[in-house]
Amino acid sequence: SYELTQPPSVSVSPGQTARITCSGDALPKQYAYWYQQKPGQAPVLVIYKDSERPSGIPERFSGSSSGTTVTLTISGVQAEDEADYYCQSADSSGTYPRVVFGGGTKLTVL
Amino acid sequence: QVQLVQSGAEVKKPGASVKVSCKASGYTFTSYDINWVRQATGQGLEWMGWMNPNSGNTGYAQKFQGRVTMTRNTSISTAYMELSSLRSEDTAVYYCARGDTMVQGVIISYYYMDVWGKGTTVTVSS
Repeated sequence: SYELTQPPSVSVSPGQTARITCSGDALPKQYAYWYQQKPGQAPVLVIYKDSERPSGIPERFSGSSSGTTVTLTISGVQAEDEADYYCQSADSSGTYPRVVFGGGTKLTVL
Repeated sequence: QVQLVQSGAEVKKPGASVKVSCKASGYTFTSYDINWVRQATGQGLEWMGWMNPNSGNTGYAQKFQGRVTMTRNTSISTAYMELSSLRSEDTAVYYCARGDTMVQGVIISYYYMDVWGKGTTVTVSS
């Protein structure tokens, strides 16, 4: 079955750049999406279609794609960015679409 | 504004069923899929399946096939997720999420969730 792989944790100091990767064999053929989840809250979409940013999401959030790896980049990290981040893609190998999530990455702001 | 409002917390005994509701407002209910995603305490997001409110068509994750049923009532813009034969491992927060999708047959142009409910806690305990 299709899997997405993320590092369990990433740590950065305030003002630095955080990069969270997500790897999967189908990523060259399917878009990736990123969600931010803070403790006790529902996930929030922060990047869609690899690199598009929804309205209301700060410009410091960006996404990129290269081969089987997509990357969420947070420039000038702020304390409020500390959260879990999940990548998501879609699996089209079956008779209907299936959603796949990565295991999540905990971003710690030191 | 666009929002999904979920039903309240549930406590169930092993073997029972639970039905969670998700009421949509601020958009045309039949124009977007509804997905269900769950999260056990301290764990990641787990996708359960989707439902097309217009057609009633559904697609379930293999793990939940035979135990989950997703339905809707278009007259009140509400989606439902029923999970049966509950066990302790089903204790989790269950989210509904609006799916913004472009799917034609087996071709997926895009598929993501842009609006989420706040979640419903389901506890399975004897």
